[in-house]
Amino acid sequence: AQSVSQHNHHVILSEAASLELGCNYSYGGTVNLFWYVQYPGQHLQLLLKYFSGDPLVKGIKGFEAEFIKSKFSFNLRKPSVQWSDTAEYFCAVGHTGRRALTFGSGTRLQVQP
Amino acid sequence: DGGITQSPKYLFRKEGQNVTLSCEQNLNHDAMYWYRQDPGQGLRLIYYSQIVNDFQKGDIAEGYSVSREKKESFPLTVTSAQKNPTAFYLCASSSTRNTEAFFGQGTRLTVV
Repeated sequence: AQSVSQHNHHVILSEAASLELGCNYSYGGTVNLFWYVQYPGQHLQLLLKYFSGDPLVKGIKGFEAEFIKSKFSFNLRKPSVQWSDTAEYFCAVGHTGRRALTFGSGTRLQVQP
Repeated sequence: DGGITQSPKYLFRKEGQNVTLSCEQNLNHDAMYWYRQDPGQGLRLIYYSQIVNDFQKGDIAEGYSVSREKKESFPLTVTSAQKNPTAFYLCASSSTRNTEAFFGQGTRLTVV
C-alpha cells in the first residue's frame, strides 16, 4: 500500500547533539513533501516544505531536509538540537493521486538538557 | 488573526451519543479536512471537502459525518456507530489540494 514511513518512533538526544529523522514514501511520480512539528499543547505547524527545485530545503528554527528522489526519502536534520525542540515531528506527502496530505506515524523527540 | 478555530478543546461523550465538533476558518481556503490522531498512528484522514456543498470520505470515515454548507465551516459529527471514538481530532484547511495545510488546535474527545 502507498504510505509514508517514519522509522524512528521515539528519539532521545542531549542538547547540542545532531538530529536526523527519517521519512520514506512509496508514491511514484511528482510529490510535495512536508515536515510538521507539534510542540506539547500546541497545534501542528509547518517546519518546511518541498515542491520542486533545490532538493535541500531550509525551514524554520534551523531545521533542514533533503529530498532524495532515488531513495524516496525526505529526511529532516538539525545540526544542534535544543531542549525547546522537544516535540513530535510528522512527515507528510502530497500526491496527485491522493485527496489530501498523507502523514507518517510521527517521531517523538525528547531533548535532555 | 487568520486561522482555524476548533471547539470545544475537550469533549466528553457518553456511549451511544452523537457529538459534533466545530471547525471554522477565516483563511478563505477552499479545501478543509478532518484528521484523527492516535498515539503511534500519526494522522489519519476522516473526511475532506474541496468546495462548498461537496465532501468526500477519507480513509477512516465509518462512524463519522460532515457537512460543508459554508466555505468557512466544516463540522464533524462523531456518531454512535463509531466504535472507538476516543481520540484527538484535528481540522485543517488549505488553499488547494496537496499544498500546505494549516491546522487548528484540536479537540480531544473522550467517551465515558
